[in-house]
Amino acid sequence: DSGVTQTPKHLITATGQRVTLRCSPRSGDLSVYWYQQSLDQGLQFLIQYYNGEERAKGNILERFSAQQFPDLHSELNLSSLELGDSALYFCASSVGAIQGNSPLHFGNGTRLTVT
Amino acid sequence: DAKTTQPTSMDCAEGRAANLPCNHSTISGNEYVYWYRQIHSQGPQYIIHGLKNNETNEMASLIITEDRKSSTLILPHATLRDTAVYYCIATRYNQGGKLIFGQGTELSVKP
Repeated sequence: DSGVTQTPKHLITATGQRVTLRCSPRSGDLSVYWYQQSLDQGLQFLIQYYNGEERAKGNILERFSAQQFPDLHSELNLSSLELGDSALYFCASSVGAIQGNSPLHFGNGTRLTVT
Repeated sequence: DAKTTQPTSMDCAEGRAANLPCNHSTISGNEYVYWYRQIHSQGPQYIIHGLKNNETNEMASLIITEDRKSSTLILPHATLRDTAVYYCIATRYNQGGKLIFGQGTELSVKP
């Protein structure tokens, strides 16, 4: 158990809808990261927050947004969903703001299916 | 971040050591080598990381060549539960979370 909790485990929704994925980091970790894994793309970094502030941005679509709250949990909002958004979404956390000497610990993901 | 190259797949007999190679010939002095693994559809799991020296923890050993251009992850006594995709990543100290996961090595541990 990595200590990172993601909810829900599974989500099925229709095209055009909006969903929110939730992540609780490990106790003491200040950074939260979101990754997307689809069959044909592998693991893709989306965005990182550190102590409530956006820290780094990857290939995140404009239809997607995230935030980190004062209690350090994070939410990833996906809107105007398309079939191609079907994927596993992973959250990870780490102690520091930078990777360097600080490993990422991943949750077990939310499987999103868009029909 | 430096590009890493790993074999696509490897087999290992249960109980034997699994040696997973990684080439990172363009690695710079401030880049760490990290290893993660992903067991089917679970979240990636951190294994070990190092900068220059060899490292060992309860899961594995990491051997980094003196010129730092390659490394080997060693699982000393592989079990069936070690069957997974193993990712080798080189990342700068001051890099954010933009870990670049390549295709990794699919390790199959066979009875």
